[in-house]
Amino acid sequence: TQLLEQSPQFLSIQEGENLTVYCNSSSVFSSLQWYRQEPGEGPVLLVTVVTGGEVKKLKRLTFQFGDARKDSSLHITAAQPGDTGLYLCAGGGGDSGYALNFGKGTSLLVT
Amino acid sequence: NAGVTQTPKFQVLKTGQSMTLQCAQDMNHNSMYWYRQDPGMGLRLIYYSASEGTTDKGEVPNGYNVSRLNKREFSLRLESAAPSQTSVYFCASRIVGEKLFFGSGTQLSVL
Repeated sequence: TQLLEQSPQFLSIQEGENLTVYCNSSSVFSSLQWYRQEPGEGPVLLVTVVTGGEVKKLKRLTFQFGDARKDSSLHITAAQPGDTGLYLCAGGGGDSGYALNFGKGTSLLVT
Repeated sequence: NAGVTQTPKFQVLKTGQSMTLQCAQDMNHNSMYWYRQDPGMGLRLIYYSASEGTTDKGEVPNGYNVSRLNKREFSLRLESAAPSQTSVYFCASRIVGEKLFFGSGTQLSVL
């Protein structure tokens, strides 16, 4: 299993603050995906990063894929209560590459 | 368009009982997945099916069996439930390389 380490595990911040969430691995991924999950629901895709060094923006969220395609980060600018949720990174794995393994997630609370 | 449908939504079992979790998707996706989610553990892959007629073990397959009944349906069976299998189970599907679509989850308690 290609291990994905996410940090921090928990984050509690005030509205308006900035934050960064990290997803690291010793393995190289062809792509990484970021999902957001709200209580009682399944995760929903935020973004897929494919190219090393790639930066993607989704409103106040900025996603970056490391040059070596082993790590990724999610930066939120001016966090809002609506950003509260569990943020998960996911990458392909398994012998066939069809498996998709997730990190343990970062639980974000914005008050 | 229903997407990914899981049944049941809630289930309570006694240790040693068996049950099957059902999953169906109507998006003509080739790949289907079963995950379990426990507090602080993110989503862990139990089994996946890259395409109709194939199934592969994920990170935590012990105690589970799966059947890819046809392109639409992918079931997860617990032959002899154990308290350690108390969890929230998610079924998901996708076209490989693209995003996962998740069902709404099954909350399972094994007493």
